[in-house]
Order: sequence, then C-alpha cells, then structure tokens
Amino acid sequence: NAGVMQNPRHLVRRRGQEARLRCSPMKGHSHVYWYRQLPEEGLKFMVYLQKENIIDESGMPKERFSAEFPKEGPSILRIQQVVRGDSAAYFCASSPRSDLAGASSYNEQFFGPGTRLTVL
Amino acid sequence: DAKTTQPPSMDCAEGRAANLPCNHSTISGNEYVYWYRQIHSQGPQYIIHGLKNNETNEMASLIITEDRKSSTLILPHATLRDTAVYYCIVARPGTYKYIFGTGTRLKVLA
Repeated sequence: NAGVMQNPRHLVRRRGQEARLRCSPMKGHSHVYWYRQLPEEGLKFMVYLQKENIIDESGMPKERFSAEFPKEGPSILRIQQVVRGDSAAYFCASSPRSDLAGASSYNEQFFGPGTRLTVL
Repeated sequence: DAKTTQPPSMDCAEGRAANLPCNHSTISGNEYVYWYRQIHSQGPQYIIHGLKNNETNEMASLIITEDRKSSTLILPHATLRDTAVYYCIVARPGTYKYIFGTGTRLKVLA
C-alpha cells in the first residue's frame, strides 16, 4: 500500500512563474491537507480538501495560491507568479475520513515526503 | 488549540532512553496530546497520542502528568535513525489543523 505521494520532490522556479505541486493521497483516503514549512519553522496548515470540495482554506494566502482535489487525479496546489518568499517545503497529508468537530477519536494524518520549492 | 513549549534541542547517547518533555499548561479537558517526528527532508511521521493515561506502542511511550499540563515522550533505546525534530501537538479530537511549533531537535550520538 503506497503512502502519500508528492511530485515533484524538488521544483525550481524563477520569480513570476507558476508552480504546480501534486499530491496523490493514500489509497482509500478522500481527505487531503496541505501544509507549508518555511526554513527552521514548523509546518503551517494551508488548506483542507475533500474530493471536488474545499473545506477550509483559512491558512492559504488570499492571492496567487489555489488548491483543488478533482474527482479523478491528484490534488494540486498552484502558486501563480511566485516570489522568493514562496520558497519552502510544501507537505501534503491525507486521512481516510474527516476530522470535523464531533469526531470522538483521533484520525491520523499521513504525510507525504514534501515538495521543496526554490524561487530564484 | 493549546500552545506547547518544547526545548529547542537535546542530545542522547545511542542505546540510552531519550526523554523529550513538552509543556502544555493551557490544555483543556478534551484535548489530546500527539507526537510526530520529522526526519531530515521527510514528511512528519506519527508516533503516539494520548488523553490522560500513559500510552505505549512499538515506537515510544507517552507519559502524561496527572494534571495534564505536561508530558514526556520516551524513546526507550534511541538509535541513530531516531535523530529528528520531534513535535508535540495538542488538539481536540475533531480538529484537522495541526499546529506544529518548532519542536525539539533530537540528536542521537554514537
């Protein structure tokens, strides 16, 4: 059973270009979460998606960033017109069910290996 | 979700127990304590979680104080492969926005 897969593992872009980061959740998982990790910092939540729905994007910058999780295919985190401050590691996690309020038990998020974005 | 405080770094000799502390003095009654670790250049890996009782699994033990204001993750026989950043997170069971602080950078020494 393959884990969460992310590609590319490393991505280099020049300022102003677009970055597309892909995440394939674990088999059977329909919930995807994206986190960003700046150098020497902990991970910061960006967005939570279910198939074809954005559930919570409160951690995502309002401009230039977007995310989707289509019915078929991987989840995509898209960054338009990248700037040097976007350089970071971007991690995707998946879980088999929702962690929404009311759940009585822990629902582990499984993390992928990350995509390291470098903006020149 | 409650805030956590961890020492920035620790060293441990290979084969010895590594005890990683975490303070979470503002934890509320229904919040769990979770531990993850991040080995260099990899995604975070779940280790263990608990509410009030001590927990043990194949990776580690979790000791939570009676007042729940602090906890300790114990790696009973640390190996070089346990060198990583360890994150202590407290969150309600319904949350999905894990808040990772800066964690404790554990270095296991040969």
